[in-house]
Amino acid sequence: QSVLTQPPSVSGAPGQRVTISCTGSSSNIGVNYDVHWYQQLPGTAPKLLIYDNTNRPSGVPDRFSGSKSGTSASLAITGLQAEDEADYYCQSYDSSLSGWVFGGGTKLTVL
Amino acid sequence: EVQLVESGGGLVQPGGSLRLSCAASGFTFSPYEMNWVRQAPGKGPEWVSYISGSGSATYYADSVKGRFTISRDNAKKSLYLQMNSLRVEDTAVYYCARKNSGYDLWGQGTLVTVSS
Repeated sequence: QSVLTQPPSVSGAPGQRVTISCTGSSSNIGVNYDVHWYQQLPGTAPKLLIYDNTNRPSGVPDRFSGSKSGTSASLAITGLQAEDEADYYCQSYDSSLSGWVFGGGTKLTVL
Repeated sequence: EVQLVESGGGLVQPGGSLRLSCAASGFTFSPYEMNWVRQAPGKGPEWVSYISGSGSATYYADSVKGRFTISRDNAKKSLYLQMNSLRVEDTAVYYCARKNSGYDLWGQGTLVTVSS
């Protein structure tokens, strides 16, 4: 049971928009700790996709965007492409655990 | 090239020990906070341990506290994880990751298998 809750799976057709939620609590996202998002392709290490809630590292397409409100955060992907099919994880800091935590992950399927 | 390369994984029996290394190249290592993150087969990533740039501050996940020790050698641009009293549930791919508003650089990972 992850401290940050994500839907196990989402899907969308090419060109569509999907969102992935990340629900936390008053000991992590709700205490204003930043949320980061990672994309993991099969057999590879996670790759930073969004940092500090809304920022994209250099090289990440602007089809990816992040938002945060209250105890939750969201990752939105517009103009879905086949190459976006991957696992996505949110991450934040948890003051009760005194450590960094990841969400359970969401598998994105491009139909 | 900016990269992190882990080594030292392998098969070990329960109760055994292993030392992982992570070699950094292509960037100035010493200012960066570093972490170890593991991922069990079919599961999501799990943060394991953190160390400050100077090495003076270290933190551990409850699951490894008292068994694992993180350290670094800035002169050698290397990060280490000493793992003792290994358990079956420690089986995972272990990644080193650079912390910079999120973990912006990851190694390719090294597989640790704990089994009799």
